[in-house]
Amino acid sequence: RKEVEQDPGPFNVPEGATVAFNCTYSNSASQSFFWYRQDCRKEPKLLMSVYSSGNEDGRFTAQLNRASQYISLLIRDSKLSDSATYLCVVNPSSGYSTLTFGKGTMLLVSP
Amino acid sequence: DGGITQSPKYLFRKEGQNVTLSCEQNLNHDAMYWYRQDPGQGLRLIYYSQIVNDFQKGDIAEGYSVSREKKESFPLTVTSAQKNPTAFYLCASSTSPSGSLKTQYFGPGTRLLVL
Repeated sequence: RKEVEQDPGPFNVPEGATVAFNCTYSNSASQSFFWYRQDCRKEPKLLMSVYSSGNEDGRFTAQLNRASQYISLLIRDSKLSDSATYLCVVNPSSGYSTLTFGKGTMLLVSP
Repeated sequence: DGGITQSPKYLFRKEGQNVTLSCEQNLNHDAMYWYRQDPGQGLRLIYYSQIVNDFQKGDIAEGYSVSREKKESFPLTVTSAQKNPTAFYLCASSTSPSGSLKTQYFGPGTRLLVL
């Protein structure tokens, strides 16, 4: 089983739609979780951290389900500028370690 | 402005040539990382450094070398032993390599092409 798995998409949605992505991770001891956004031919940028209780930042909501080992990202009222690839990122431990990146889910928002 | 800079933006390598990619940060971060990204693929870790004068191999270190002589700088050399170097190279840094947060911030990347 891959460490971090995401549906590559693309997810094609119209402006104003609500879209959700899921990501599953294999290491049950994983400590922290993030969503990054990567525009075409650009570097990844932190979108939001994912907290155990779930968290919201404007139109974006992230949820964590430790029992099922998945995290989700919900985008409400999609904008054209939301078109990007969304990377699921997992920190496998609290000690010295490196982050594990998923391959990303591509979102295309159309007028 | 604080941030991470990478240079050059594009780099062309001839067969058998070693090339060095620059990465500098003024965020006072302890940890620095090098990743490689191929089209349609996720980020793969090449090398990382937790402190000055120390670094560890990542998942795909063969054909690459690094140094960490200064906290601000973590250059990556792509040697002639790397047979398929064409990729997008990303440098990142974080405040600490340990701890529960460990958020990484990325530079703008260098695209390496083989002539």
